[in-house]
Amino acid sequence: NAGVTQTPKFRILKIGQSMTLQCAQDMNHNYMYWYRQDPGMGLKLIYYSVGAGITDKGEVPNGYNVSRSTTEDFPLRLELAAPSQTSVYFCASSPRESGYTFGSGTRLTVV
Amino acid sequence: LAKTTQPISMDSYEGQEVNITCSHNNIATNDYITWYQQFPSQGPRFIIQGYKTKVTNEVASLFIPADRKSSTLSLPRVSLSDTAVYYCLVGDRGSSGSARQLTFGSGTQLTVLP
Repeated sequence: NAGVTQTPKFRILKIGQSMTLQCAQDMNHNYMYWYRQDPGMGLKLIYYSVGAGITDKGEVPNGYNVSRSTTEDFPLRLELAAPSQTSVYFCASSPRESGYTFGSGTRLTVV
Repeated sequence: LAKTTQPISMDSYEGQEVNITCSHNNIATNDYITWYQQFPSQGPRFIIQGYKTKVTNEVASLFIPADRKSSTLSLPRVSLSDTAVYYCLVGDRGSSGSARQLTFGSGTQLTVLP
């Protein structure tokens, strides 16, 4: 089925480790986003992209990096993981003038 | 980005109509109003989007008064499966060419009781 695919679904990291959260969409959407959601809270925008080769910071970019080499993929890189990055991470995509389609999320725990 | 204010929680009973109101006093001319639904352990799901007056789809209706400083999501005849968090978002649709940075607030936890 068409949509946004995130991998992995769960991950436990040790403090200081690094990892990449994968996000892929097959709807040919130009816009892609990474959000994090802490327990009981709304979603906060980390990074977004308006097309291949173009990325920009959102509300909470510190500790993260992204790249957008293709329209389909928008990986999120965590360098030097910290306990404050324990959260659920959602990737989303959208065409220019419509609602977002979200992935099912990656639950990350940093210990 | 326009800030939104919603009730933290609402309770309803099965079969009732539920109206969730969102305030967005500083909405800009190019801003649209979008509502999302989120179940536990899932990503938000798009429900409805509108600019003014009334929009209706198979799931919900969205009422927007002339001043656009608030909006009301209406869910007809709710069922237990409508228990979820509902988010109201305000932002442009990218018509300016810039990215659409929609901001999610804390949302409204709707609990439907039997």
